[in-house]
Amino acid sequence: EIVMTQSPATLSVSPGERATLSCRASQTVYSNLAWYQQKPGQAPRLLVYGAFNRATGVPPRFSGSGSGTDFTLTISSLQSEDSAVYYCQQYDRWPLTFGGGTKAEIK
Amino acid sequence: EVQLLESGGKLVQPGGSLRLSCVASGYTFTNYAMAWVRQSPGKGLEWVSSISGSGDRISYADSVKGRFSISSDTSKNTLYLQMNNLRAEDTATYYCAKKILGSNPFDDWGQGTLVTVSS
Repeated sequence: EIVMTQSPATLSVSPGERATLSCRASQTVYSNLAWYQQKPGQAPRLLVYGAFNRATGVPPRFSGSGSGTDFTLTISSLQSEDSAVYYCQQYDRWPLTFGGGTKAEIK
Repeated sequence: EVQLLESGGKLVQPGGSLRLSCVASGYTFTNYAMAWVRQSPGKGLEWVSSISGSGDRISYADSVKGRFSISSDTSKNTLYLQMNNLRAEDTATYYCAKKILGSNPFDDWGQGTLVTVSS
């Protein structure tokens, strides 16, 4: 099983500042990596797939990068509505696995 | 607009059984693979099972293999998860999710249904 490790566990950023979230895979997943956003009481929402492709309707301030084992989700200018937990997911091999999540808080 | 509506979650005793349903609308059901993903209270996401649009390819997480069974009824645009021999650790909100065409990320999710396993 591919283990996905996210860091930091919690991120506190002022509005308008850049937020950088990291995800590391225990073995290569090539570019088969997705990012999701989950707000309290809501289902997850797909943000990025294929490591860097934004899903439909996702604002351009969200961008994904990386390949192989190291990936990054960057929120270029954090807005109050971006307060959420962010998960990465690999889909290169079965079983599909998620990281433990990064909670992004607004300072 | 894609809509996924889960139902069937409730309180059940350890060792019991439950069937979850997910009615899909707003797209051609047979064109897309589907999955169940669960989330224990206050915890992260765990993939449970996937099924191809045609129903001929199925996968399970090791934690549920032999106890859970995924299926679909294309005439009703409905996805199912039959859960047997339930354990306390199966307590979670269960989401049905639709996969991106030809790939594995989940681009649409239901609102979830809560399964509680407790005596």
